[in-house]
Amino acid sequence: SQQGEEDPQALSIQEGENATMNCSYKTSINNLQWYRQNSGRGLVHLILIRSNEREKHSGRLRVTLDTSKKSSSLLITASRAADTASYFCATDANQAGTALIFGKGTTLSVSS
Amino acid sequence: GAVVSQHPSWVICKSGTSVKIECRSLDFQATTMFWYRQFPKQSLMLMATSNEGSKATYEQGVEKDKFLINHASLTLSTLTVTSAHPEDSSFYICSARRGGTLSGNTIYFGEGSWLTVV
Repeated sequence: SQQGEEDPQALSIQEGENATMNCSYKTSINNLQWYRQNSGRGLVHLILIRSNEREKHSGRLRVTLDTSKKSSSLLITASRAADTASYFCATDANQAGTALIFGKGTTLSVSS
Repeated sequence: GAVVSQHPSWVICKSGTSVKIECRSLDFQATTMFWYRQFPKQSLMLMATSNEGSKATYEQGVEKDKFLINHASLTLSTLTVTSAHPEDSSFYICSARRGGTLSGNTIYFGEGSWLTVV
């Protein structure tokens, strides 16, 4: 099962530009997490934002959460070629026995 | 370091054979583990929830007789793909929820296992 959509599905930008990815979900959540996945590799946890938070920063990452609209956004500032990867949001009900549910993901390509 | 370990990282098997993938929680007990499947250029799809000492709970559309899950101990869950076919070729990844920590109820992922059926 999947929570919902992420947009855009694919994003191509130049180094130094900002990249914004959006995620929508359907159910109630305790927190929402963003992951990065390089081609053919496992998941790298980027950031977690709790349902009572509206914005969170980590380095060049900025995440927002709007629980009324059931949506989140991930902003990567001053992008680098190394940021090229797929990015997924995942919602967490944070209850024993419940799994993270992933969005469809955005494939980001940063060219130098 | 990794707190959830998956093995093997990649495996090639012949069509019609079975292959087992292991998922271990290294320094905590996990009563529940989760198995996902990811086809190329797609997202992670939850296949099943593995419950220690009881039957796994499968998501809609996942064949329980084809994807056998065993969670015999609090640190090990196994996924066996039976009678594998080329369409089963995929990236399989497990996760476990670690509760009761100062950092909260955190989910950790294994490194994933690439299965290629030829």
